[in-house]
Amino acid sequence: ETGVTQSPTHLIKTRGQQVTLRCSSQSGHNTVSWYQQALGQGPQFIFQYYREEENGRGNFPPRFSGLQFPNYSSELNVNALELDDSALYLCASSFGGRSSGANVLTFGAGSRLTVL
Amino acid sequence: ELKVEQNPLFLSMQEGKNYTIYCNYSTTSDRLYWYRQDPGKSLESLFVLLSNGAVKQEGRLMASLDTKARLSTLHITAAVHDLSATYFCAVDMDSNYQLIWGAGTKLIIKP
Repeated sequence: ETGVTQSPTHLIKTRGQQVTLRCSSQSGHNTVSWYQQALGQGPQFIFQYYREEENGRGNFPPRFSGLQFPNYSSELNVNALELDDSALYLCASSFGGRSSGANVLTFGAGSRLTVL
Repeated sequence: ELKVEQNPLFLSMQEGKNYTIYCNYSTTSDRLYWYRQDPGKSLESLFVLLSNGAVKQEGRLMASLDTKARLSTLHITAAVHDLSATYFCAVDMDSNYQLIWGAGTKLIIKP
């Protein structure tokens, strides 16, 4: 059973650029959530995708967008990067969306984004 | 707005000692999760607590949930160096899809 994999692991961008982060969910999982974790803080929910549709969104602006593909992998896109977007971006997969009961997430190792 | 507060945020302790990490949250929820994060690594699920009075134990760690007090505790018994990590609690929003996380407790256990 493969876990959650994310790419790239590290990247550096400049303000105003765009970035795409990728995530392959754990085998058997159909739900993907994205979180932003700033240094020394807990993760902040960005959004969740279930069966290729956005299933909930946190307090992030529209320049944060995402996709989920038929194989349940996912992308996080961030446009017009700002310095404050520098963080660890975590992808987590689970099964069943919100209605399945306990929301136990399996996390990937993350993509560390630095915006200069 | 749901807020989750952990304390302490930093804890340095000797091997063999006992200690408790506290997680308070501000609104009603009966689902609470504890995760562990090692430096530079991802988050690992430790415990899922789904009802008032729930208690879960794994090795030297024991977690409990009091939904009336809106409090969860993570108790460490006879700490060993391998338990050094950052521990997060997270609360499930009933009307949303997200977990709300505490800031984390960085635990350092000295030999």
